[in-house]
Formats: sequence, C-alpha cells, structure tokens
Amino acid sequence: ETGVTQSPTHLIKTRGQQVTLRCSSQSGHNTVSWYQQALGQGPQFIFQYYREEENGRGNFPPRFSGLQFPNYSSELNVNALELDDSALYLCASSFDQATAKNIQYFGAGTRLSVL
Amino acid sequence: GDSVTQMEGPVTLSEEAFLTINCTYTATGYPSLFWYVQYPGEGLQLLLKATKADDKGSNKGFEATYRKETTSFHLEKGSVQVSDSAVYFCALIHDNNDMRFGAGTRLTVKP
Repeated sequence: ETGVTQSPTHLIKTRGQQVTLRCSSQSGHNTVSWYQQALGQGPQFIFQYYREEENGRGNFPPRFSGLQFPNYSSELNVNALELDDSALYLCASSFDQATAKNIQYFGAGTRLSVL
Repeated sequence: GDSVTQMEGPVTLSEEAFLTINCTYTATGYPSLFWYVQYPGEGLQLLLKATKADDKGSNKGFEATYRKETTSFHLEKGSVQVSDSAVYFCALIHDNNDMRFGAGTRLTVKP
C-alpha cells in the first residue's frame, strides 16, 4: 500500500506567478483535502475534493483552485502568488469524506517560497 | 467558528519525564477530537482520537480524554523518550470536512 505522495518537495516562485502542486492519494482513497501550514502555525483547511468534485472550502480566495482526477490524484493551483502564500502545503487523503471515522493520511508536503 | 487552542511551546523535558500538553476547544455541538504528530521533514501522523465525551484515545503510551465539561483534550504520556521529540497538533472536526488545528507544540526530549 503506497502512502500519500506530494510533488515537488520544494518550490521557489516570485510574486504574481502561478504554481501547481500535485498529490497522489493513498491506494483506495477517493477524497483529497489540501491544507496550508504557515511557519509556526497549524494547518489551515483550503478545500476538499470528493470523487472529482469540490466538497467543502475554507476561508481562501478564489485564486486557490483545485482539481481531482479519475484516479483520485489531485492538484492545487494558486494564481497571482503573494508573499503570504509562502508556506508548507499539505495534502491528505481519506476513504470518503474526512470525518472522525474516515481518517486522513497526510503527505510530507510541498514547501513553497514566494519571493 | 470552531477553534483549537494549545499550550505554547516549546516544551523541553528530560527522558522519562511526565508529559502534558494542554488543548482546549471552542465548537458547537459535539466535534471529534484528534492529536497529530509531525516529525521533522514528514507529514502529520494521527496519534490518537476521541469521538464523544469521556472517550479516551490512546496510542504508543500517549493518552487523551475528551472532556466536554471543560472543553479539553489534554495529551499525556507517563515517560517520554528522545524519539518522542516532534511537533504535536490538537485538532477537531465536524461532519463538514473542515478540520481545525491548533498552532502546534514543539516537544524536545533530552537524554
């Protein structure tokens, strides 16, 4: 059983650019959630994808968007990057929607630096 | 909205010391509560969980009890090891998929 994998591991961009982060979910999982973790803070929920549809969104602007593919892998896209977007982006997968019963399994994250 | 507050770190202990990391929450209804651990360079790993009042979650010597009356979910371990050094996150979730995390507490255990 493969775990959650994210790519790339590190990324450096400049303000105004666009970025795409990728996540492969754990085998058998159909739900992917994305989180932003600023330095020294806990993760903040961006959105969740369940069977290729957005299924819940946190307090993030529309320039944060996502996709989920038929194999349940997912992308997080961020447009018009701002300095405050610098953070660790975590992907988590679960079997069905994340609840107390359906545990989320996290990847190691992508460290994004915006200069 | 829902929120989680953890004791500020960092926490530094000697090996075999007793550990408590405080966690309190604010939420409507009855959320489920979690502790996650993050080792350097790794993602979050579920340590334990509790889904209703008075439930006790336990794993690897760590324990936490869901206290509805004090809205708390404190993490405890009787004897810490150097390998327990990590960042610990308290979290809650309702059925709306939005998991809320505390800011994390860094634990360093010295031999």
